[in-house]
Amino acid sequence: GAGVSQSPRYKVAKRGQDVALRCDPISGHVSLFWYQQALGQGPEFLTYFQNEAQLDKSGLPSDRFFAERPEGSVSTLKIQRTQQEDSAVYLCASSLETFSAKGETQYFGPGTRLLVL
Amino acid sequence: DAKTTQPTSMDCAEGRAANLPCNHSTISGNEYVYWYRQIHSQGPQYIIHGLKNNETNEMASLIITEDRKSSTLILPHATLRDTAVYYCIVRVAGMVTGGGNKLTFGTGTQLKVEL
Repeated sequence: GAGVSQSPRYKVAKRGQDVALRCDPISGHVSLFWYQQALGQGPEFLTYFQNEAQLDKSGLPSDRFFAERPEGSVSTLKIQRTQQEDSAVYLCASSLETFSAKGETQYFGPGTRLLVL
Repeated sequence: DAKTTQPTSMDCAEGRAANLPCNHSTISGNEYVYWYRQIHSQGPQYIIHGLKNNETNEMASLIITEDRKSSTLILPHATLRDTAVYYCIVRVAGMVTGGGNKLTFGTGTQLKVEL
């Protein structure tokens, strides 16, 4: 079946430009996560949605970062006035359940590689 | 969530077992051990998870010590396609609100499988 998809796969932006990154989770998955991965590092948590509700945005690095999931499926991560330090791979993940005695498996998309010049 | 310690890199000959260690000495009783891997230019991929019993699936086996302070991921017959960064993560499962559902990645172990 279809996995998590992300678009665009690559994005080059000039400093100060706004960008929007899209995530299509696996159909029916309740939970959606965004992570940021700098070169040579592990992914770092940005924000979490349960359906359309953004329950945790503690990882967003600044108020230039904004995420939404208005209908509880597709999500968009928007970065305003991009800076060079925003250059990274942005990963989206989804999971089926919000509660499970054995935990949830997160399924990741391929990521969007953002380069800010 | 408890912190984990993994070797930076490991090599393995193709066809041999790859044993990847992870220390999590501060793990709590309600925290699970998860393993993910990330092949170059791809998103992380779930491998296996466990609480205290050893677990096996079609990809790997997970051995957790009795005191739960360390674990080993075993790839029984490594292939070139298993070359990846392997992440050991411990976290509380089953939380609905807040950041309890997030994964906290370290820098992982770069496994290189060679001919």
